[in-house]
Amino acid sequence: GQNIDQPTEMTATEGAIVQINCTYQTSGFNGLFWYQQHAGEAPTFLSYNVLDGLEEKGRFSSFLSRSKGYSYLLLKELQMKDSASYLCAVRSDRGSTLGRLYFGRGTQLTVWP
Amino acid sequence: DTEVTQTPKHLVMGMTNKKSLKCEQHMGHRAMYWYKQKAKKPPELMFVYSYEKLSINESVPSRFSPECPNSSLLNLHLHALQPEDSALYLCASSQSQGNYGYTFGSGTRLTVV
Repeated sequence: GQNIDQPTEMTATEGAIVQINCTYQTSGFNGLFWYQQHAGEAPTFLSYNVLDGLEEKGRFSSFLSRSKGYSYLLLKELQMKDSASYLCAVRSDRGSTLGRLYFGRGTQLTVWP
Repeated sequence: DTEVTQTPKHLVMGMTNKKSLKCEQHMGHRAMYWYKQKAKKPPELMFVYSYEKLSINESVPSRFSPECPNSSLLNLHLHALQPEDSALYLCASSQSQGNYGYTFGSGTRLTVV
């Protein structure tokens, strides 16, 4: 089976740094994605990791450790507009489920002024 | 063109109606997906088309009928839906089923009355 775990809610203040963790246990692995989703809108792509290490893109960074089944999304210099749900998703590399994304439940981040 | 376009954005239908959701992309992507998302839940995969052929059906009830007329278009035909089918329906595409990230459309907010 597939199990992807991330915290349900987090809060932080404007200008701060927040780290959203994701742990996964899946029967196949072909990359881990982070998406941002504002209420009532579609998910938008933030980052992709397939090899161990840190990927940095502006205020957002994502880290992956395949041996530990662990990833985190780091958001720096938080802004009010960063209040959203953050979805961790693992892509399968197996046969009939090839390419399928398995999503975690999402972490609702609230940024306070 | 780097978008996935979904129409309509909102749809209200009765339980005896027949309606269709439409999804279009012109990025040359050969894999297309339908996801269903309930409030405060992650997206759930419904169908995957790869090279215009249905490759994954996640045991979706027959009242949902997908169709892929060509490599740019994906439809979801709806008939005799139930109120619990009310959700955000998301279309996504990727270059191929096994590789690359998804691009999501903005979704259709469906309400069944």
